[in-house]
Amino acid sequence: GAGVSQSPSNKVTEKGKDVELRCDPISGHTALYWYRQSLGQGLEFLIYFQGNSAPDKSGLPSDRFSAERTGGSVSTLTIQRTQQEDSAVYLCASSRSGGSSTDTQYFGPGTRLTVL
Amino acid sequence: KQEVTQIPAALSVPEGENLVLNCSFTDSAIYNLQWFRQDPGKGLTSLLLIQSSQREQTSGRLNASLDKSSGRSTLYIAASQPGDSATYLCAVVHTSGSRLTFGEGTQLTVNP
Repeated sequence: GAGVSQSPSNKVTEKGKDVELRCDPISGHTALYWYRQSLGQGLEFLIYFQGNSAPDKSGLPSDRFSAERTGGSVSTLTIQRTQQEDSAVYLCASSRSGGSSTDTQYFGPGTRLTVL
Repeated sequence: KQEVTQIPAALSVPEGENLVLNCSFTDSAIYNLQWFRQDPGKGLTSLLLIQSSQREQTSGRLNASLDKSSGRSTLYIAASQPGDSATYLCAVVHTSGSRLTFGEGTQLTVNP
């Protein structure tokens, strides 16, 4: 079946502009995660959605970052007033249930964001 | 705070060699540990997941072990091939949540 998909694959924007990144999880997966991979910071957690529960936003670096998940499926990560330090690869992952010993997270190809 | 460390940061071996990648974590209260592979410019591919109650998992030429009490895992790759060249990442899920905490990765090069 189809894996996790993300769009766009690459995004170049000017400092100060807003961007939206999209993630389509694997069908039937109730858990969805956003991570960021940047030089010098490695892979870091941003936000986690599980079913209809309130999302775990504890990894968002500032209030310029927000995310939503509509209908328990597609998710959008929004970065407002982008800064050069936001340049990174944004990775989305999904899993069947989240928070169990057998739960494997499957990753999408990522969106490479460059802020000029 | 959970910290994950991978050693070595980079490794170059000739084709055919068996090799071991190391991962350590500071907090043993984990649900599981996953090993991933990342090719340049690509996302992450899950290789193996070891539950906290397990000692090892095997898939083809890959074998991963877990010693939860000492906070260590190893990924053993047998008979390495040039196609194994990639960055290998280990990550753990703490029992308090669902997020993965990643190590910095080991960049593996297998030379023909």
